[in-house]
Amino acid sequence: EDKVVQSPLSLVVHEGDTVTLNCSYEVTNFRSLLWYKQEKKAPTFLFMLTSSGIEKKSGRLSSILDKKELFSILNITATQTGDSAVYLCAVDVNDMRFGAGTRLTVKP
Amino acid sequence: DAMVIQNPRYQVTQFGKPVTLSCSQTLNHNVMYWYQQKSSQAPKLLFHYYDKDFNNEADTPDNFQSRRPNTSFCFLDIRSPGLGDAAMYLCATSIGGIGNQPQHFGDGTRLSIL
Repeated sequence: EDKVVQSPLSLVVHEGDTVTLNCSYEVTNFRSLLWYKQEKKAPTFLFMLTSSGIEKKSGRLSSILDKKELFSILNITATQTGDSAVYLCAVDVNDMRFGAGTRLTVKP
Repeated sequence: DAMVIQNPRYQVTQFGKPVTLSCSQTLNHNVMYWYQQKSSQAPKLLFHYYDKDFNNEADTPDNFQSRRPNTSFCFLDIRSPGLGDAAMYLCATSIGGIGNQPQHFGDGTRLSIL
């Protein structure tokens, strides 16, 4: 059975802190790993990772994939209150398998 | 702007009364997905269409059906909604078969059962 496990499940930080969110997986037929940010509506796409060791960056967010150890991390530097959301990790195995998400709360 | 549009945003139905949720897309993506997301849980895939080919998840209840009359539209039919079917229903699209492409989500329909 395919598994996608995110940790921590919830996290509370203060503005300016740096956070690291984790996603580990055990799947067959791995195609890619994706990170989404979900606020009150539908998930919005952040990153898609297919190759090990290549960091993807977008502003204060960055992510990297380790296909040998089967995990990915999502880093957010200099957090802002607008970063408060649930961050979903999903693995594309021809279908999408989502993790349970990490609820990030950034306090002023 | 190209997008995935779900209607209605909020739907209320009675226990056992059939309900249909709709999804349309202007992205011309060939794959469309329906997810169920309950409170504080990750989205759960119900089924997807790869072009006209319907792919049902093994644990999707028979109560849930789908139709895709053309590339742009996809419908989710719940034949006899129960209280446990109250959830957010998300439609997503992607380009299948051309490398690895992310899914694009609509804003969702929140379904309540009375």
